[in-house]
Amino acid sequence: TQLLEQSPQFLSIQEGENLTVYCNSSSVFSSLQWYRQEPGEGPVLLVTVVTGGEVKKLKRLTFQFGDARKDSSLHITAAQPGDTGLYLCAGEPGGSYIPTFGRGTSLIVHP
Amino acid sequence: DAGVIQSPRHEVTEMGQEVTLRCKPISGHNSLFWYRQTMMRGLELLIYFNNNVPIDDSGMPEDRFSAKMPNASFSTLKIQPSEPRDSAVYFCASSMTGGAQPQHFGDGTRLSIL
Repeated sequence: TQLLEQSPQFLSIQEGENLTVYCNSSSVFSSLQWYRQEPGEGPVLLVTVVTGGEVKKLKRLTFQFGDARKDSSLHITAAQPGDTGLYLCAGEPGGSYIPTFGRGTSLIVHP
Repeated sequence: DAGVIQSPRHEVTEMGQEVTLRCKPISGHNSLFWYRQTMMRGLELLIYFNNNVPIDDSGMPEDRFSAKMPNASFSTLKIQPSEPRDSAVYFCASSMTGGAQPQHFGDGTRLSIL
């Protein structure tokens, strides 16, 4: 059983479309992190959200942490082919220093 | 600023052989993680070191797997004997200790056991 459930698992869209991916859990997390992984490389951190209800923006990417700190979402506006990759959420439940990762959302943006 | 360095990048070997994966974490980071990534299971934590001491190895599949961190700048993950089901991409990551600290990943070792 995955502690962090990500959806959708796969997403294939056209350039210019908007999309949202989700990261859900029944556990409370002190913080959640979003990573992007490109083929042949390791995951790279995009953002960390810490406060319930927090919204962070990174250019066309908007990250939100749920009020109860059990879920998070990533919204991409006007997706571009360069956004293609595997998006992973990760966190440390209940104050633990042991991180857990979701299975990821594999995004393909077609030109 | 050098990132996490892993070697080799690719390894192809026959089942039964010993495999050693190497990792150099970012200088100053005191937490080190070994992960395995497959399509079926995603990114799985194998073992976590803090200040060179193994803190959690509950993710290590079985006794064929072992990991060491003899000093703050080097870690190894060894598989002996290797089996085809060990084929995966193995990542090493390092971070500072503490909540909300980002992990910095190496580019991984793609391991194929024939």
